[in-house]
Amino acid sequence: DIQMTQSPSSLSASVGDRVTITCRASQSISSYLNWYQQKPGKAPKLLIYAASSLQSGVPSRFSGSGSGTDFTLTISSLQPEDFATYYCQQSYSTPPAFGQGTKLEIK
Amino acid sequence: EVQLVESGGGLVQPGGSLRLSCAASGFTFSSYEMNWVRQAPGKGLEWVSYISSSGSTIYYADSVKGRFTISRDNAKNSLYLQMNSLRAEDTAVYYCARGRYYDSRGYFDYWGQGTLVTVSS
Repeated sequence: DIQMTQSPSSLSASVGDRVTITCRASQSISSYLNWYQQKPGKAPKLLIYAASSLQSGVPSRFSGSGSGTDFTLTISSLQPEDFATYYCQQSYSTPPAFGQGTKLEIK
Repeated sequence: EVQLVESGGGLVQPGGSLRLSCAASGFTFSSYEMNWVRQAPGKGLEWVSYISSSGSTIYYADSVKGRFTISRDNAKNSLYLQMNSLRAEDTAVYYCARGRYYDSRGYFDYWGQGTLVTVSS
């Protein structure tokens, strides 16, 4: 099975900051990488699919990049509503594994 | 508007059974693959099971294989998860999630609000 590792596990940042979260796969997954945002007590929400495609309705301050084993999620200018936990997920093979999550907190 | 509404969660003893349901609306249910994903309290997300649009192809996580059964009723726009031989480690919020697939790979574009399953004596 493919393992997904996110870094950092937690991150403190301020409104307006540029933030980058990294996700690494245990083997090449081409561009089959998705990103989700989850707020406390809520279901996950799809942000990015196929490594860099922005889901409809998601603000353009969110962007994704990478291929192979290394991927990044970037938030260009943090907004108050962006403080949440972020998960990457590979869809290259079954089982479709998630990273352990990155909790983004207010500094 | 796409809506997925789970139900059927609750408290069950170890070794017991529970059947989860997910009612879908706002899209042509019979055209979409569906999944169950769970999240233990304070933990990350874990994919549980997949079913194709027709129900002919099914996959399970190793952790639930042989104990859980996924199914669907396209006439009722509903997805199900029959959970048998439940263990404490199955305690989690269970989400149904719609799959979107390309090149036989995909992502989960809509999620329900989740239903909590607690396995405890």
